[in-house]
Parts: sequence; structure tokens; C-alpha cells
Amino acid sequence: IAGITQAPTSQILAAGRRMTLRCTQDMRHNAMYWYRQDLGLGLRLIHYSNTAGTTGKGEVPDGYSVSRANTDDFPLTLASAVPSQTSVYFCASSYRLAGAYNEQFFGPGTRLTVL
Amino acid sequence: ILNVEQSPQSLHVQEGDSTNFTCSFPSSNFYALHWYRWETAKSPEALFVMTLNGDEKKKGRISATLNTKEGYSYLYIKGSQPEDSATYLCAPMDSNYQLIWGAGTKLIIKP
Repeated sequence: IAGITQAPTSQILAAGRRMTLRCTQDMRHNAMYWYRQDLGLGLRLIHYSNTAGTTGKGEVPDGYSVSRANTDDFPLTLASAVPSQTSVYFCASSYRLAGAYNEQFFGPGTRLTVL
Repeated sequence: ILNVEQSPQSLHVQEGDSTNFTCSFPSSNFYALHWYRWETAKSPEALFVMTLNGDEKKKGRISATLNTKEGYSYLYIKGSQPEDSATYLCAPMDSNYQLIWGAGTKLIIKP
């Protein structure tokens, strides 16, 4: 692995089904993020994690959950998918230090369609 | 949460011409400003991170300036090339150290 990877690349999902989007980074970044990107809107933060073992809610957390059991992995779960969760999902990571504002590195994205 | 505005939404520029676009944000609770470049079918990539009023950063033909007192940043591209076609995102960082993303300026370079 070099950088940050996401799986699956794309998925079509029936409404009501449970789905986990996977994200793994090998840069030893302490912070990780999940965004959704919808046409005409900027990236919107769903959840974030500043370090392994901690998570926080972003701008649009409803219907999503995350966990951060270790530094490398940050899965995003949709417990019961709804059509409004059709979107492109990006995972990102950064090396976050107090007083420093390091750039975020993005995965390739997961295109999710909920029917 | 900061409100971020980028203008214009889209821009068509002739190859070889120079161009610039704007990112506006509330000047209170400002910590840093990020610029990202997002090519179609790829992921956003960081261009610049700026923190101080008056900061100017440059990478090749692309440069950016920052005015934290009035709440704006300009991105300049000199001598546009087809490979500059992309969406340019700005993202100020708020008091919780989270990036708040603008909707972007879509730049299309005409050969």
C-alpha cells in the first residue's frame, strides 16, 4: 500500500441494507476523515478521528458511524442505507500537530448508489 | 462553522492566458487556509497551506495570496496550460481545526 486506499471503488446498494466503506492509510497519519461529495456542493465532513481510539462528528453525521481501532484503518458504516446517501465518499488523512496545519491526503473515492 | 465562497463557479480561459479566482471567508476564528487542486476522476491534492496575513506561496506557475484581516485569498495561474484544467478548492480551517470546504472554481483551459 502506498498512501491511502478505499474499498470498494463503487457499489450499488438496496435501501435498508447495511454497508461498510473501508479506508486504510500507511502514512502513519494520526488524523483521518470521511467526506461526501455531491454535485454542486463542496466536500462535507461526515466524521473524523484525531487519533486512534477517538472519533468526532462532522457536518453531516446522521445515518453514519465510524470506528478507529488502530492508526491505519477508519471504516465508515451506513447502518440502514437510504437513497439520500447516494454520493461519492472520500476518505482522507493528515498528520495533525497542535499549531501545524498539515494538508490532507485523499483516497480515490467510493461511488455509492442507494436504490 | 465558517461560510466559504469561491468565485467564479467556473471559468473558461484561453491557453497561454493568466487567470485568478477568489476564496472569501469570515475573518474571525481563522487558523489557516488550504488550497487544493481536483482533477476530474481523481482525488483532491493539496497545493498550498497558508497561515499568516500577507502570506504568499508559489508552486511553478501557480501562486496564492492570503488576507486574513479582510477574509480572502486569491489563486493565480500564469500562462495557463491544458493540464491546469481542474476544480480548485479552498478550505479555511476553523477553531476546531476542521477544514470547511468551498464549492470550488472549475477551470477549463481552451487550446
